[in-house]
Amino acid sequence: AQRVTQPEKLLSVFKGAPVELKCNYSYSGSPELFWYVQYSRQRLQLLLRHISRESIKGFTADLNKGETSFHLKKPFAQEEDSAMYYCALSPYSGAGSYQLTFGKGTKLSVIP
Amino acid sequence: NAGVMQNPRHLVRRRGQEARLRCSPMKGHSHVYWYRQLPEEGLKFMVYLQKENIIDESGMPKERFSAEFPKEGPSILRIQQVVRGDSAAYFCASSPLQDMNTEAFFGQGTRLTVV
Repeated sequence: AQRVTQPEKLLSVFKGAPVELKCNYSYSGSPELFWYVQYSRQRLQLLLRHISRESIKGFTADLNKGETSFHLKKPFAQEEDSAMYYCALSPYSGAGSYQLTFGKGTKLSVIP
Repeated sequence: NAGVMQNPRHLVRRRGQEARLRCSPMKGHSHVYWYRQLPEEGLKFMVYLQKENIIDESGMPKERFSAEFPKEGPSILRIQQVVRGDSAAYFCASSPLQDMNTEAFFGQGTRLTVV
């Protein structure tokens, strides 16, 4: 069975400081990894996925299969980045957002 | 396009009652997924449906839970004889296709409280 671990429940950083939200996973196959974000009073929405290798809103995430990690990073935090961030895994590579397993989430708070 | 609509947003049921949660997918989406988020936990996959078909229900509890997505109307997640442990947020997502480039769009969820 797959598992996603986000070790930090809450992360507070100052505006302009670098951000790293940690995500570790366990799965024996080749999963797809995602980051979802939920801004205050809004729906859960996809931020980025490892197969696209994009940078969205300045965020990037690299899949490290050796360390089974998919940490989310941004060099300079902005106040509008304050939100709940969820790391998610799909066991079916190439199957999109199917049968996702989510971590418990990390609340990012950017201090002005 | 209003997005994925779930109703009600909040539902309170007494132990033993039935709970019906509705999900209207985005226009043009024929794939629906239900997820459950227990308190202090991450979202967990429950079931994947297409119109009139259950494709994967591997995450559904074996008893009391059922889901449908009829030809007309919203998808329904039904919980019979609710217990306190069913208290959770239930999220629905929809997508137009099921392939590697498809994004699933989530609704705002239904918070079920069993008293």
